[in-house]
Amino acid sequence: DGGITQSPKYLFRKEGQNVTLSCEQNLNHDAMYWYRQDPGQGLRLIYYSQIVNDFQKGDIAEGYSVSREKKESFPLTVTSAQKNPTAFYLCASSMGPTGLAYEQYFGPGTRLTVT
Amino acid sequence: AQSVTQLGSHVSVSEGALVLLRCNYSSSVPPYLFWYVQYPNQGLQLLLKYTSAATLVKGINGFEAEFKKSETSFHLTKPSAHMSDAAEYFCAVTAGRGAGSYQLTFGKGTKLSVIP
Repeated sequence: DGGITQSPKYLFRKEGQNVTLSCEQNLNHDAMYWYRQDPGQGLRLIYYSQIVNDFQKGDIAEGYSVSREKKESFPLTVTSAQKNPTAFYLCASSMGPTGLAYEQYFGPGTRLTVT
Repeated sequence: AQSVTQLGSHVSVSEGALVLLRCNYSSSVPPYLFWYVQYPNQGLQLLLKYTSAATLVKGINGFEAEFKKSETSFHLTKPSAHMSDAAEYFCAVTAGRGAGSYQLTFGKGTKLSVIP
Protein backbone atom coordinates (compact mmCIF):
# COMPACT_ATOMS: atom_id res chain seq x y z
CA ASP A 1 0.00 0.00 0.00
CA GLY A 2 1.23 3.49 -0.82
CA GLY A 3 1.42 5.96 1.99
CA ILE A 4 3.43 7.89 4.53
CA THR A 5 4.97 6.39 7.62
CA GLN A 6 6.16 8.25 10.66
CA SER A 7 8.06 6.72 13.50
CA PRO A 8 7.88 6.44 16.37
CA LYS A 9 4.26 7.14 17.29
CA TYR A 10 5.23 8.42 20.74
CA LEU A 11 8.61 9.88 21.69
CA PHE A 12 9.86 11.04 25.06
CA ARG A 13 13.01 13.09 25.57
CA LYS A 14 14.73 15.05 28.26
CA GLU A 15 15.12 18.78 27.87
CA GLY A 16 18.38 19.71 26.15
CA GLN A 17 18.51 16.65 23.90
CA ASN A 18 18.16 16.74 20.14
CA VAL A 19 15.66 14.28 18.67
CA THR A 20 14.99 13.16 15.09
CA LEU A 21 11.54 12.27 13.79
CA SER A 22 11.34 9.96 10.81
CA CYS A 23 9.11 10.43 7.75
CA GLU A 24 9.07 8.10 4.75
CA GLN A 25 6.75 8.07 1.73
CA ASN A 26 6.33 5.62 -1.15
CA LEU A 27 3.90 7.75 -3.16
CA ASN A 28 6.63 9.01 -5.49
CA HIS A 29 5.79 12.56 -4.44
CA ASP A 30 8.26 15.36 -5.02
CA ALA A 31 7.12 17.66 -2.21
CA MET A 32 7.22 16.91 1.50
CA TYR A 33 6.22 18.95 4.53
CA TRP A 34 6.52 19.05 8.30
CA TYR A 35 3.80 20.59 10.45
CA ARG A 36 3.46 21.16 14.13
CA GLN A 37 0.03 20.85 15.73
CA ASP A 38 -0.91 22.31 19.11
CA PRO A 39 -4.45 22.34 20.56
CA GLY A 40 -6.50 25.16 19.06
CA GLN A 41 -3.65 26.29 16.78
CA GLY A 42 -4.37 24.33 13.64
CA LEU A 43 -1.37 23.20 11.61
CA ARG A 44 1.74 25.36 11.40
CA LEU A 45 4.33 24.74 8.71
CA ILE A 46 7.86 24.08 9.96
CA TYR A 47 9.79 23.17 6.79
CA TYR A 48 8.99 21.99 3.30
CA SER A 49 10.92 20.49 0.44
CA GLN A 50 9.99 20.63 -3.24
CA ILE A 51 12.77 18.38 -4.46
CA VAL A 52 15.70 16.31 -3.26
CA ASN A 53 18.54 18.32 -1.70
CA ASP A 54 16.39 21.43 -1.41
CA PHE A 55 14.20 22.65 1.44
CA GLN A 56 12.70 25.91 2.66
CA LYS A 57 11.77 27.32 6.04
CA GLY A 58 8.12 27.54 6.90
CA ASP A 59 6.44 29.79 9.42
CA ILE A 60 8.02 28.35 12.57
CA ALA A 61 11.42 26.92 11.56
CA GLU A 62 13.42 28.20 14.54
CA GLY A 63 14.81 25.34 16.60
CA TYR A 64 14.23 22.75 13.87
CA SER A 65 16.35 21.31 11.07
CA VAL A 66 15.65 18.96 8.15
CA SER A 67 17.41 17.11 5.37
CA ARG A 68 16.22 15.71 2.04
CA GLU A 69 18.87 13.35 0.75
CA LYS A 70 16.37 10.93 -0.80
CA LYS A 71 13.03 11.52 -2.46
CA GLU A 72 11.33 9.12 -0.06
CA SER A 73 12.67 10.53 3.19
CA PHE A 74 12.37 13.86 5.02
CA PRO A 75 13.56 13.58 8.64
CA LEU A 76 12.98 16.40 11.11
CA THR A 77 15.38 17.15 13.97
CA VAL A 78 14.03 19.01 16.97
CA THR A 79 17.03 20.71 18.52
CA SER A 80 17.62 21.87 22.06
CA ALA A 81 17.13 25.43 20.77
CA GLN A 82 13.39 24.82 20.30
CA LYS A 83 11.82 26.51 23.33
CA ASN A 84 8.62 24.49 23.51
CA PRO A 85 9.08 21.23 21.60
CA THR A 86 6.25 19.22 23.13
CA ALA A 87 3.66 18.86 20.35
CA PHE A 88 2.13 16.57 17.75
CA TYR A 89 4.23 16.51 14.57
CA LEU A 90 2.73 15.67 11.19
CA CYS A 91 4.56 14.87 7.98
CA ALA A 92 2.83 15.23 4.61
CA SER A 93 3.61 14.89 0.93
CA SER A 94 2.14 16.06 -2.35
CA MET A 95 2.93 15.86 -6.03
CA GLY A 96 4.41 19.34 -5.81
CA PRO A 97 5.14 21.63 -8.73
CA THR A 98 5.57 18.81 -11.23
CA GLY A 99 2.01 17.63 -10.82
CA LEU A 100 -1.47 19.09 -11.15
CA ALA A 101 -2.83 17.80 -7.87
CA TYR A 102 -2.40 20.00 -4.84
CA GLU A 103 -3.78 17.88 -2.05
CA GLN A 104 -1.42 16.75 0.66
CA TYR A 105 -1.36 13.28 2.16
CA PHE A 106 -0.51 12.93 5.81
CA GLY A 107 1.29 10.42 7.95
CA PRO A 108 -0.11 9.21 11.30
CA GLY A 109 1.95 11.70 13.31
CA THR A 110 4.50 11.56 16.11
CA ARG A 111 3.65 12.87 19.56
CA LEU A 112 6.79 14.29 21.15
CA THR A 113 6.95 14.96 24.86
CA VAL A 114 9.95 16.76 26.31
CA THR A 115 10.36 16.98 30.08
CA ALA B 1 -1.55 35.41 0.31
CA GLN B 2 -4.33 33.08 1.35
CA SER B 3 -6.09 32.68 4.67
CA VAL B 4 -8.85 30.51 6.08
CA THR B 5 -11.34 31.21 8.84
CA GLN B 6 -13.35 28.41 10.38
CA LEU B 7 -16.28 29.74 12.36
CA GLY B 8 -16.75 27.85 15.59
CA SER B 9 -13.97 25.90 17.23
CA HIS B 10 -16.54 23.44 18.62
CA VAL B 11 -19.83 22.31 17.08
CA SER B 12 -22.26 19.85 18.65
CA VAL B 13 -25.07 18.10 16.80
CA SER B 14 -27.46 15.31 17.65
CA GLU B 15 -27.13 12.00 15.90
CA GLY B 16 -29.20 12.15 12.70
CA ALA B 17 -29.15 15.95 12.52
CA LEU B 18 -27.61 18.11 9.82
CA VAL B 19 -23.90 18.82 10.09
CA LEU B 20 -22.76 22.27 8.95
CA LEU B 21 -19.15 23.34 9.39
CA ARG B 22 -18.27 26.79 8.14
CA CYS B 23 -15.20 27.87 6.21
CA ASN B 24 -14.46 31.26 4.68
CA TYR B 25 -11.34 31.95 2.71
CA SER B 26 -9.37 34.88 1.47
CA SER B 27 -7.37 34.58 -1.70
CA SER B 28 -6.08 37.02 -4.29
CA VAL B 29 -6.19 34.34 -6.99
CA PRO B 30 -8.74 31.61 -7.80
CA PRO B 31 -8.35 29.13 -4.97
CA TYR B 32 -8.29 25.42 -4.60
CA LEU B 33 -10.05 24.37 -1.40
CA PHE B 34 -9.93 21.26 0.75
CA TRP B 35 -11.58 19.71 3.77
CA TYR B 36 -9.68 17.26 5.94
CA VAL B 37 -10.80 15.18 8.92
CA GLN B 38 -8.63 14.19 11.88
CA TYR B 39 -9.51 11.54 14.45
CA PRO B 40 -7.74 11.69 17.83
CA ASN B 41 -4.01 11.03 17.68
CA GLN B 42 -4.11 10.38 13.95
CA GLY B 43 -3.05 12.18 10.81
CA LEU B 44 -5.34 14.16 8.52
CA GLN B 45 -7.45 12.43 5.89
CA LEU B 46 -8.72 14.21 2.79
CA LEU B 47 -12.53 14.43 2.74
CA LEU B 48 -13.00 16.40 -0.47
CA LYS B 49 -11.49 19.05 -2.70
CA TYR B 50 -12.59 21.87 -4.98
CA THR B 51 -10.35 22.54 -7.97
CA SER B 52 -12.46 24.85 -10.15
CA ALA B 53 -14.70 22.22 -11.71
CA ALA B 54 -18.17 21.66 -10.22
CA THR B 55 -18.99 24.04 -7.38
CA LEU B 56 -20.77 21.31 -5.40
CA VAL B 57 -18.22 18.74 -4.39
CA LYS B 58 -19.01 15.34 -2.95
CA GLY B 59 -16.56 13.58 -0.69
CA ILE B 60 -16.19 10.49 1.39
CA ASN B 61 -18.46 9.43 4.27
CA GLY B 62 -21.45 11.33 2.86
CA PHE B 63 -19.93 14.80 3.19
CA GLU B 64 -20.21 17.51 0.57
CA ALA B 65 -19.20 21.15 0.24
CA GLU B 66 -20.27 24.00 -1.98
CA PHE B 67 -17.90 26.63 -3.33
CA LYS B 68 -19.56 30.07 -3.32
CA LYS B 69 -17.29 32.67 -4.84
CA SER B 70 -19.58 35.59 -4.01
CA GLU B 71 -19.51 34.64 -0.34
CA THR B 72 -15.88 33.39 -0.34
CA SER B 73 -17.16 30.31 1.44
CA PHE B 74 -16.67 26.56 1.28
CA HIS B 75 -18.94 25.15 3.98
CA LEU B 76 -18.98 21.42 4.72
CA THR B 77 -22.30 19.63 5.18
CA LYS B 78 -23.70 16.19 5.84
CA PRO B 79 -27.46 15.56 5.95
CA SER B 80 -27.44 13.15 8.88
CA ALA B 81 -24.73 12.97 11.53
CA HIS B 82 -23.37 9.64 12.70
CA MET B 83 -21.49 8.96 15.89
CA SER B 84 -18.44 8.06 13.83
CA ASP B 85 -18.35 11.65 12.44
CA ALA B 86 -17.06 12.95 15.77
CA ALA B 87 -13.63 14.32 14.91
CA GLU B 88 -11.82 17.55 14.12
CA TYR B 89 -12.26 19.07 10.68
CA PHE B 90 -9.85 21.37 8.90
CA CYS B 91 -10.45 23.60 5.92
CA ALA B 92 -7.44 24.46 3.74
CA VAL B 93 -6.77 26.72 0.76
CA THR B 94 -4.08 27.09 -1.83
CA ALA B 95 -3.57 29.29 -4.83
CA GLY B 96 -5.04 27.69 -7.89
CA ARG B 97 -3.28 26.21 -10.86
CA GLY B 98 -0.81 28.48 -12.56
CA ALA B 99 -0.43 30.81 -9.62
CA GLY B 100 2.89 29.26 -8.67
CA SER B 101 2.03 28.24 -5.12
CA TYR B 102 1.00 24.82 -3.97
CA GLN B 103 1.39 25.09 -0.24
CA LEU B 104 -1.76 24.73 1.83
CA THR B 105 -2.92 27.24 4.41
CA PHE B 106 -5.05 25.58 7.11
CA GLY B 107 -7.80 26.91 9.31
CA LYS B 108 -7.59 26.35 13.05
CA GLY B 109 -10.05 23.48 12.94
CA THR B 110 -13.57 22.73 14.16
CA LYS B 111 -14.14 19.92 16.62
CA LEU B 112 -17.42 18.14 15.93
CA SER B 113 -19.22 16.33 18.73
CA VAL B 114 -22.18 14.05 17.99
CA ILE B 115 -24.70 13.59 20.78
CA PRO B 116 -26.52 10.24 20.88
